[in-house]
Amino acid sequence: NAGVMQNPRHLVRRRGQEARLRCSPMKGHSHVYWYRQLPEEGLKFMVYLQKENIIDESGMPKERFSAEFPKEGPSILRIQQVVRGDSAAYFCASSTADHTGELFFGEGSRLTVL
Amino acid sequence: DAKTTQPTSMDCAEGRAANLPCNHSTISGNEYVYWYRQIHSQGPQYIIHGLKNNETNEMASLIITEDRKSSTLILPHATLRDTAVYYCIVRSNSGYALNFGKGTSLLVTP
Repeated sequence: NAGVMQNPRHLVRRRGQEARLRCSPMKGHSHVYWYRQLPEEGLKFMVYLQKENIIDESGMPKERFSAEFPKEGPSILRIQQVVRGDSAAYFCASSTADHTGELFFGEGSRLTVL
Repeated sequence: DAKTTQPTSMDCAEGRAANLPCNHSTISGNEYVYWYRQIHSQGPQYIIHGLKNNETNEMASLIITEDRKSSTLILPHATLRDTAVYYCIVRSNSGYALNFGKGTSLLVTP
């Protein structure tokens, strides 16, 4: 039973380019969370999605960042016009149910902006 | 969600029990205590959670004081692979996000 799959594991972008990070939740999970971890810092919640719905985006930067979880396919975190400060590890987690604190995390996608 | 306070770092000898404390003095009645850990560069891993009663699973035990203002995560026989940052998180089941603080960096030594 595969866990949460994230790709790419490592992504290098130049300033101004776009970054797309993908997350396939565990089988049977319909709830997806995205977290960001800056170097030497803790994990910060970004957004919580269910299929075709953004439920809580209180941690998302107001500009350049967007997330979706379509009916078919993985969840996508999109960062437009990346800047050096976007360099971080981005973790996706999934769960079976609403309001549960038991999340299953992927191994993360590490974005480096040159 | 209530705030938690954890020591910045702890050491433990391999094979001994690791006892990681957490203070959550402002916890409210509907808030659960969750523990996660993050081994270097990996995704966080759920360990255990509880509301009032002590809990035990294959990974650890969680002891919650009667007034619920503090708790202790116990790894009964620590191994080198238990070296990680351990996060104590208080969360109500009406919320969505888990808010990770700075955690405790546990170093298990040979």
